[in-house]
Amino acid sequence: EVQLVESGGGLVQPGGSLRLSCAASGFTFSDHHMDWVRQAPGKGLEWVGRSRKKGKNYATEYAASVKGRFTISRDDSKTSLYLQMNSLKTEDTAAYYCARDSMMYGFDYWGLGTLVTVSS
Amino acid sequence: DIQLTQSPSFLSASVGDRVTITCRASQDISSNLAWYQQKPGKAPNLLIYTASTLQSGVPSRFSGSGSGTEFTLTISSLQPEDFATYYCQQLNSYPLTFGGGTKVEIK
Repeated sequence: EVQLVESGGGLVQPGGSLRLSCAASGFTFSDHHMDWVRQAPGKGLEWVGRSRKKGKNYATEYAASVKGRFTISRDDSKTSLYLQMNSLKTEDTAAYYCARDSMMYGFDYWGLGTLVTVSS
Repeated sequence: DIQLTQSPSFLSASVGDRVTITCRASQDISSNLAWYQQKPGKAPNLLIYTASTLQSGVPSRFSGSGSGTEFTLTISSLQPEDFATYYCQQLNSYPLTFGGGTKVEIK
């Protein structure tokens, strides 16, 4: 059974940093691209970024709203995806989901999400 | 960036109704579109990919159509468990984008 479990969310002050983790199981992690998607309270879905698989050199892509502040990484040996968030802003407050990315076939598995609150 | 415009943003319907949601892309995305269902407090769930392919395990009352810039999600006979918010997503080019969502509520 495919499982994605996010952790690391919490309350952080504006300008602060936080690192989210996503532990994956039930599939060959190294064979898949992985993504982060966020959802501000009461709002829609916003794609944050993508980590490509090893065969694509682990290349990353980011939304303009987070580029230069957020960094996506992965450790295939730990079947884990990470999101390092720096220079956090109040508008980064959201539930953050990791998702298995099957490219043109969509995001077929999602974690339950972890809540990040940026507030003073 | 490719903008996705969903309509309507809110829909009130009864059990058994046929429901259609539209997603318009600001430029040609071929068939690189997915649809998701999200219930309150839950993660999104993939319903349709490549515009019209039903994800495994999704009931056949859900269907998708379209290509280029105009897409539709149809629920042929709305069931109680279908009351949720629906999102389209383009997978054609970066940044990947989602539509604003369509909330389907009970009339």
